[in-house]
Amino acid sequence: GDSVTQMEGPVTLSEEAFLTINCTYTATGYPSLFWYVQYPGEGLQLLLKATKADDKGSNKGFEATYRKETTSFHLEKGSVQVSDSAVYFCALISNTNAGKSTFGDGTTLTVKP
Amino acid sequence: DVKVTQSSRYLVKRTGEKVFLECVQDMDHENMFWYRQDPGLGLRLIYFSYDVKMKEKGDIPEGYSVSREKKERFSLILESASTNQTSMYLCASSMIRTGGSYGYTFGSGTRLTVV
Repeated sequence: GDSVTQMEGPVTLSEEAFLTINCTYTATGYPSLFWYVQYPGEGLQLLLKATKADDKGSNKGFEATYRKETTSFHLEKGSVQVSDSAVYFCALISNTNAGKSTFGDGTTLTVKP
Repeated sequence: DVKVTQSSRYLVKRTGEKVFLECVQDMDHENMFWYRQDPGLGLRLIYFSYDVKMKEKGDIPEGYSVSREKKERFSLILESASTNQTSMYLCASSMIRTGGSYGYTFGSGTRLTVV
């Protein structure tokens, strides 16, 4: 079946540091890939997405590129802020799984001033 | 702004009570989902629905049921609440499109405590 493996956390960075959160996946067919963010006490929000190989999703300074050859979708940001502290989830929707999403376990990011 | 609205942010119920968690979306989405989120266990799918009056079990349906009488509303029911159902409950919706490429819209969550 489909699976998503995320870099284990927690991750602690200083403000303005470079962020990478690794995500790799296993899926049948050609999945769409997503990153969600969850701020404390809230639900998940869609951060960015990519629907085919070599697509780059971007939003709020975050980027991720759909790499089919390495089955990866790593999240990056050049300069993190304290307000980026949250839990980040990588996810996929496979076109063979009838619209159900598979989520990674989440990576907690803390950014210190 | 499109929304998924969960009726309560915080809920405290007694063991054995019947509990209703309500979720309403205003995006005309076909798919709706209920998850629970627990520390160290990630997101676990309880039930989902692709259409009115249609439901399918997710990974952990035991102790839960659902109702979808209208397209915009998806209710999660705890038939007899137990302390191990203390959790954060998340509702989500999505469109049916080829490849599911639009992702999910989540509600803000209901933190349920069963005492």
